[in-house]
Amino acid sequence: DAMVIQNPRYQVTQFGKPVTLSCSQTLNHNVMYWYQQKSSQAPKLLFHYYDKDFNNEADTPDNFQSRRPNTSFCFLDIRSPGLGDAAMYLCATSRVGGGYYNEQFFGPGTRLTVL
Amino acid sequence: LAKTTQPISMDSYEGQEVNITCSHNNIATNDYITWYQQFPSQGPRFIIQGYKTKVTNEVASLFIPADRKSSTLSLPRVSLSDTAVYYCLVGDIASGAGSYQLTFGKGTKLSVIP
Repeated sequence: DAMVIQNPRYQVTQFGKPVTLSCSQTLNHNVMYWYQQKSSQAPKLLFHYYDKDFNNEADTPDNFQSRRPNTSFCFLDIRSPGLGDAAMYLCATSRVGGGYYNEQFFGPGTRLTVL
Repeated sequence: LAKTTQPISMDSYEGQEVNITCSHNNIATNDYITWYQQFPSQGPRFIIQGYKTKVTNEVASLFIPADRKSSTLSLPRVSLSDTAVYYCLVGDIASGAGSYQLTFGKGTKLSVIP
């Protein structure tokens, strides 16, 4: 089945130690998103790629970076994780011109713990 | 971006119809209304989308009045497995840029009681 895959599902890192979360998709969608979701809060969009065009949300900290080397993969890099960055990180995809307007398909998420 | 307002939580008994209303007073002409469902420790899942009037699919109905300043998600005959957070989103497309932006509101936590 076509899907959005996130690895790892659980990630533990130390304060200040860089960490990379990965997302892959078999849907061949041209838009990929990264969201941060803290406990009992709504998902918050960090940035998204429309093909190779990167779109950063205005309030996304510089500590968060992203790479999309090809259509299928997208990475979230946290350069110096702080305790406040502990959260669930959700990857999503959508297809421009698809059936529903910007229907987003989410992966299962990676839960990041910062020690 | 159009801001959305939903009840924080709702309780319902199994087998009842549940209606969750979302307010979006500043909705723009190009905006669509979309609802997502999220179970604990999972990513959100698309439920239904509409622009105006009524939309129905196999899991829900969406009612949108003529002024589009609100919408109501209707879940028929809920079961325990419908316990989740339901998000109402108003989609906005940046003109000409081809970029998309969705902002999740606080959502409504639905608890279905046996």
